[in-house]
Amino acid sequence: KAGVTQTPRYLIKTRGQQVTLSCSPISGHRSVSWYQQTPGQGLQFLFEYFSETQRNKGNFPGRFSGRQFSNSRSEMNVSTLELGDSALYLCASSRLAGVNEQFFGPGTRLTVL
Amino acid sequence: GENVGLHLPTLSVQEGDNSIINCAYSNSASDYFIWYKQESGKGPQFIIDIRSNMDKRQGQRVTVLLNKTVKHLSLQIAATQPGDSAVYFCAENISGGTSYGKLTFGQGTILTVHP
Repeated sequence: KAGVTQTPRYLIKTRGQQVTLSCSPISGHRSVSWYQQTPGQGLQFLFEYFSETQRNKGNFPGRFSGRQFSNSRSEMNVSTLELGDSALYLCASSRLAGVNEQFFGPGTRLTVL
Repeated sequence: GENVGLHLPTLSVQEGDNSIINCAYSNSASDYFIWYKQESGKGPQFIIDIRSNMDKRQGQRVTVLLNKTVKHLSLQIAATQPGDSAVYFCAENISGGTSYGKLTFGQGTILTVHP
């Protein structure tokens, strides 16, 4: 069974731009969560989607948004990029709502210049 | 790596030794815990999980112990191998309610296994 895939793997943007990251969960998994990983803050929860609905959101500004499609694929968007948004963005999927063995993708490394 | 700025705890062991990685979790209401392994350039890899109605769970070469009284979690790796070298994270979750899908991660521990 294929794992969680994320595209693109690497991205370079400049301040003020926006970016969209994509995540395809493991087949049959309906829950997708997003995390930001930085050297200073570690792994921090962004949001979780299940059945196209955002069920939980972390403490990030409104510039961070996401959505989930009917096939469970998810995208996250960051608008008006800031230097501090440089991070590894990780997507995790699980079969059911909530946690229940979240499996992570390889991440998208975003660099904001 | 992703976690250098946090000055992570480190554990160095010799190949073949047993390793014990500790984690103090933050929320007494947490009832589900996971250990992850993250190698450089990769996403976290699920190792083992445990629910709060258990105090011990064993997998292949790994054992997780949970002490709810002191909010402590440990991961024991038997016969540690060089391929076990990575950053290890514990993560906690509160089932249901407003915590759907939200894992709260510890800062991580760097494990280095010397051949």
